[in-house]
Amino acid sequence: KQEVTQIPAALSVPEGENLVLNCSFTDSAIYNLQWFRQDPGKGLTSLLLIQSSQREQTSGRLNASLDKSSGRSTLYIAASQPGDSATYLCAVFSSGSARQLTFGSGTQLTVLP
Amino acid sequence: EAEVAQSPRYKITEKSQAVAFWCDPISGHATLYWYRQILGQGPELLVQFQDESVVDDSQLPKDRFSAERLKGVDSTLKIQPAELGDSAMYLCASRPHTSDNEQFFGPGTRLTVL
Repeated sequence: KQEVTQIPAALSVPEGENLVLNCSFTDSAIYNLQWFRQDPGKGLTSLLLIQSSQREQTSGRLNASLDKSSGRSTLYIAASQPGDSATYLCAVFSSGSARQLTFGSGTQLTVLP
Repeated sequence: EAEVAQSPRYKITEKSQAVAFWCDPISGHATLYWYRQILGQGPELLVQFQDESVVDDSQLPKDRFSAERLKGVDSTLKIQPAELGDSAMYLCASRPHTSDNEQFFGPGTRLTVL
């Protein structure tokens, strides 16, 4: 069974800092990995999708990397802003017998002005 | 930009009552998912549809939960009777047919069972 772990569970940084969120998964048989943002009480907004054949994806100040063989992904946020404060969720779409999206528990990010 | 629609956004009900949630996926998306997200955790899959057929409902508590997608477009998730432990965010997502496309999520329905 696929398991996804996100570290740290919570992170607080001053505005302007660069930061890295970590995600690890136990089964490397995946189609893709997706990073989401979730604001309190809201749904999920897709930030980046990395296919299993790719190493990284970039969108604005966000850069996500994928090392499928080691079961790891990182989300790099450059020059953080208070508006980046949210919970960031990592999810993997497995290609094995259980073809479903498995989520981590998220990292709650607070960017202090 | 096309979006996944869900209603209601918020629902408060008493235990033992029936409750229903509705989802309208992005037009043309054949695959539809219902997830449950307990506060502080990631979403967990309840049921997956491919067109009007259930592909995976192994994690759906079938004694009280039911889901349907009669015409392969919109979908309804029902809980009867609701229990205190059902309080959560219920999220709907859709995806195009090909396996490597991303999932798009709706705004969710926040359920509170009193």
